[in-house]
Amino acid sequence: TQLLEQSPQFLSIQEGENLTVYCNSSSVFSSLQWYRQEPGEGPVLLVTVVTGGEVKKLKRLTFQFGDARKDSSLHITAAQPGDTGLYLCAGAPNSGNTPLVFGKGTRLSVIA
Amino acid sequence: GAGVSQSPSNKVTEKGKDVELRCDPISGHTALYWYRQSLGQGLEFLIYFQGNSAPDKSGLPSDRFSAERTGGSVSTLTIQRTQQEDSAVYLCASSLETAYLLPPAFFGQGTRLTVV
Repeated sequence: TQLLEQSPQFLSIQEGENLTVYCNSSSVFSSLQWYRQEPGEGPVLLVTVVTGGEVKKLKRLTFQFGDARKDSSLHITAAQPGDTGLYLCAGAPNSGNTPLVFGKGTRLSVIA
Repeated sequence: GAGVSQSPSNKVTEKGKDVELRCDPISGHTALYWYRQSLGQGLEFLIYFQGNSAPDKSGLPSDRFSAERTGGSVSTLTIQRTQQEDSAVYLCASSLETAYLLPPAFFGQGTRLTVV
């Protein structure tokens, strides 16, 4: 059973459209992270959400952590071709020194 | 170095041969992770080090896989008797240890392993 389920698995949209991707789990996380990975590169951290209900904005990206700290969403406004990539959520189910586990990711393609 | 360094960047090996992959983490990072990523897939957790010890080896796919870390720094992932299904990108990441907050993990660019 995958600890972190991401949806959709694939998403192809036109430039200028809005989109939301999801990260869900049956486990409670002390915090969750979102990474973006481009071809040939390692993932790069976008944000860490810590408090249930927290909303963080990073330019056109809005991240939300669920009240129960079991899920998170990433909303992109007016997507651009530069947003293309694999979006991964990650978390450690217990606070402290436990391994960071990743979802399988959402592969986003923004077409100009 | 300034970032996580992995070597080699590409490795082509014959089925049945052993390979060794190297990871140089960011200086001072006590946590080190190895992941495997097959083409178009997410990250599969392999092993995690705190300092030189590996409290979680649960992700290693078989006993052909082993990893060690020495001096709290460099780590090597060894795959013995490689099989074609071992072909993937092997990613290493390092982070600081914290008691509660999840620290950022910094990734290397990976080693692309091809078993022919």
